[in-house]
Amino acid sequence: DIQMTQSPSSLSASVGDRVTITCRASQGISNSLAWYQQKPGKAPKLLLYAASRLESGVPSRFSGSGSGTDYTLTISSLQPEDFATYYCQQYYSTRTFGQGTKVEIK
Amino acid sequence: QVQLVESGGGLVKPGGSLRLSCAASGFTFSDYYMSWIRQAPGKGLEWVSYISSSGSTIYYADSVKGRFTISRDNAKNSLYLQMNSLRAEDTAVYYCARDEGGDWFDPWGQGTLVTVSS
Repeated sequence: DIQMTQSPSSLSASVGDRVTITCRASQGISNSLAWYQQKPGKAPKLLLYAASRLESGVPSRFSGSGSGTDYTLTISSLQPEDFATYYCQQYYSTRTFGQGTKVEIK
Repeated sequence: QVQLVESGGGLVKPGGSLRLSCAASGFTFSDYYMSWIRQAPGKGLEWVSYISSSGSTIYYADSVKGRFTISRDNAKNSLYLQMNSLRAEDTAVYYCARDEGGDWFDPWGQGTLVTVSS
């Protein structure tokens, strides 16, 4: 099974900050990666797929990049509504989620 | 709009059974793969199972293989998860999600809580 390791597990940031979350796969996944945002008590919401393709309706401050085993989610200017937990998910071989990154207010 | 509504969760004793349902609307259900994903309290997301649009292809996570059965009724726009031999570690919110061709999940239902406890 492919393991997904996210880092950091949590971070504190201020409104306006640039935030980067990393996801590393235990083997190459050929950009078969999605990112989700989850707020407390709510279902996850798709942000990006195919590593860098923005889901319709998602603000352009969210972006994704990477290749091979290493991928990143970047929020260019953190907004109040972005404080949440973020998960990566590979779909190269069945499905596996990262353990999540909680973005908290500094 | 696309909507997924889960039901059937509740409290069950270890070793017991439960059947979850997911009612889909707002899209052509029979065109899409569907998945179940769960989240234990305070924990991360775990993919559980998926089923192809016709029901001919099914996969399970190792943690539920042999105990859970996914199925669908395209005439009723419904997805199901039969859960047998439940364990305490199966306690979680269970989400159904539309599965984009066996890839990513979008959208998700609101989830239904399953609690396995004596």
